[in-house]
Amino acid sequence: AQSVTQLGSHVSVSEGALVLLRCNYSSSVPPYLFWYVQYPNQGLQLLLKYTTGATLVKGINGFEAEFKKSETSFHLTKPSAHMSDAAEYFCALAGGSQGNLIFGKGTKLSVKP
Amino acid sequence: DTAVSQTPKYLVTQMGNDKSIKCEQNLGHDTMYWYKQDSKKFLKIMFSYNNKELIINETVPNRFSPKSPDKAHLNLHINSLELGDSAVYFCASSQSTTGFVGYTFGSGTRLTVV
Repeated sequence: AQSVTQLGSHVSVSEGALVLLRCNYSSSVPPYLFWYVQYPNQGLQLLLKYTTGATLVKGINGFEAEFKKSETSFHLTKPSAHMSDAAEYFCALAGGSQGNLIFGKGTKLSVKP
Repeated sequence: DTAVSQTPKYLVTQMGNDKSIKCEQNLGHDTMYWYKQDSKKFLKIMFSYNNKELIINETVPNRFSPKSPDKAHLNLHINSLELGDSAVYFCASSQSTTGFVGYTFGSGTRLTVV
């Protein structure tokens, strides 16, 4: 069965520090993977996606993610955190039983001044 | 123009009432979805429509009834509201039924049942 696991429900970093949000997946077919961000009281916004091809994917707001098939991972990184990055981040996998996106449980990112 | 718009943004109602949430997308997508986000932020799919046809109907109480008058609109009607229905409901749309291109989400409807 397809599944997504996000390690760490809450990550706290200092402003300017590296951001690393972890996502592992399980899929019986080549995965299509996504990261979404949800700011308080807003909908989900697509940060980046991996379909095929280059395994290092760049997204908006300076975020990037690397697809590692051997580790079944798709971790999200940003070299230097900004206060405005504080939000909930969701990893998602395409290809649910009826073709829908399957979401991880989310990771709340806090950024300290 | 908002790509996926939901109304209302907030909805407070009493137990036992019937309410509707409306969703419209102007992206020309064929597929639309309703997701429920609980208090722990977990997102669970409820329904999916492709060009007005129901294609996903997860285990949801039959008090919830989606309606798609055309492929740009997907409404959610809820009968006999219960306290446990309190959540944020998101509408989303996609070019593909497989989700391979990702979704565009609305800003959500926060439903509070008192």
